[in-house]
Amino acid sequence: DVKVTQSSRYLVKRTGEKVFLECVQDMDHENMFWYRQDPGLGLRLIYFSYDVKMKEKGDIPEGYSVSREKKERFSLILESASTNQTSMYLCASSFWREGYNEQFFGPGTRLTVL
Amino acid sequence: GENVEQHPSTLSVQEGDSAVIKCTYSDSASNYFPWYKQELGKRPQLIIDIRSNVGEKKDQRIAVTLNKTAKHFSLHITETQPEDSAVYFCAASSTGNQFYFGTGTSLTVIP
Repeated sequence: DVKVTQSSRYLVKRTGEKVFLECVQDMDHENMFWYRQDPGLGLRLIYFSYDVKMKEKGDIPEGYSVSREKKERFSLILESASTNQTSMYLCASSFWREGYNEQFFGPGTRLTVL
Repeated sequence: GENVEQHPSTLSVQEGDSAVIKCTYSDSASNYFPWYKQELGKRPQLIIDIRSNVGEKKDQRIAVTLNKTAKHFSLHITETQPEDSAVYFCAASSTGNQFYFGTGTSLTVIP
């Protein structure tokens, strides 16, 4: 069974704080993703990584950075949290299967920025 | 980049009826189309997917159809049950690493 875990289910931070969200997968997947999920907007890609130390911007990278020092771990960093970053954050990982990717999601972190 | 549109945003059906959710995509290079189900408070989980070399795929009560020419694909759920109530997301991907998601459909099955 693929397991994707996230460090926290719920997090409350104050404006201006630096926030770290961690994601770990145990299936040796090459690709890892960070999304944010907001009502009516679906899943929007923040960043993804296809290899260790590699990262690519998604659709909404502003205000975020990422780190992938090990294949199994992908971190999302909010350098200076703002109230508009209050959201559900979902991590995912994927692998190549018959030339296509299937994504597996973590349980999500609900972040509230006060 | 790719743009995926999903309709309707909410859908209510009587138990036992069918439900259909439709998505369109813009990039003709997209060739993989998964559907995810997200129950309240839980993570999205893949329920069915289709590749661009296939027009239809079925798995028990759910089916997906793909029209490459028109660039649209649909999820069909027959004989709906209360446990089908969830948010459903469509997505599109080319052979790259990015997935583009629709905005989701909240399905309610009324007993």
